Amino acid sequence: QVQLQESGPGLVEPSQTLSLTCTVSGDSISSGTHYWSWIRQPAGKGLEWIGRIYTSGSTNYKPSLNSRVTISVDTSKNQFFLKLSSVTAADTAVYYCARAVTGMAVADYFDYWGQGTLVTVSS
Amino acid sequence: EIVMTQSPATLSVSPGERATLSCRASQYSSTNLAWYQQKPGQAPRLLIYGASTRATGIPARFSGSGSGTEFTLTISSLQSEDFAVYYCQQYKNWPPGAFGGGTKVEIK
Repeated sequence: QVQLQESGPGLVEPSQTLSLTCTVSGDSISSGTHYWSWIRQPAGKGLEWIGRIYTSGSTNYKPSLNSRVTISVDTSKNQFFLKLSSVTAADTAVYYCARAVTGMAVADYFDYWGQGTLVTVSS
Repeated sequence: EIVMTQSPATLSVSPGERATLSCRASQYSSTNLAWYQQKPGQAPRLLIYGASTRATGIPARFSGSGSGTEFTLTISSLQSEDFAVYYCQQYKNWPPGAFGGGTKVEIK
């Protein structure tokens, strides 16, 4: 059974960097069979894809967030990470990590999700 | 950028009735379309991928259809646990994560 678990601070001050960890169990990031993504959801709103990483460390980011986002991976710990810099109140959201399935398509769908972690940007 | 439009925004249905949810893509998406269910306080759950293939463990009362730009999710006989928000997402075109705005299925 594949499981993902987000962890990190629930409160971040404006202009600081949001940092989250996703720990994967039941699958190996290093197997190279999937991409691994971050997705967020502001309260009462829809889902927004942030970016993804492959076991090699290759990344892709949503263009509008590209200048502020860094996703990295530690295959030895079966974890991947999100850093979002210069945060504002608009970055307040539940952040999910998810396993991405690419298959024959260009983009991904998401078959396993973490439970999500609420990050609030406030002083 | 691809825009996914879901309708209606809210669907009021009685238990045991059929629910039909629509999703329209602004660009051709072939059958690269997924549906997710999200209950309050929970993560989205994959229901359907490939427009019509049920994900592991998804009951047969959930079915998906469509191709190109028009897609439908049908719940044949609504159970109490099916009242939730449903999102569609296309994955034919870059970037990933072109989600619709969601349809809330509520008890009538």
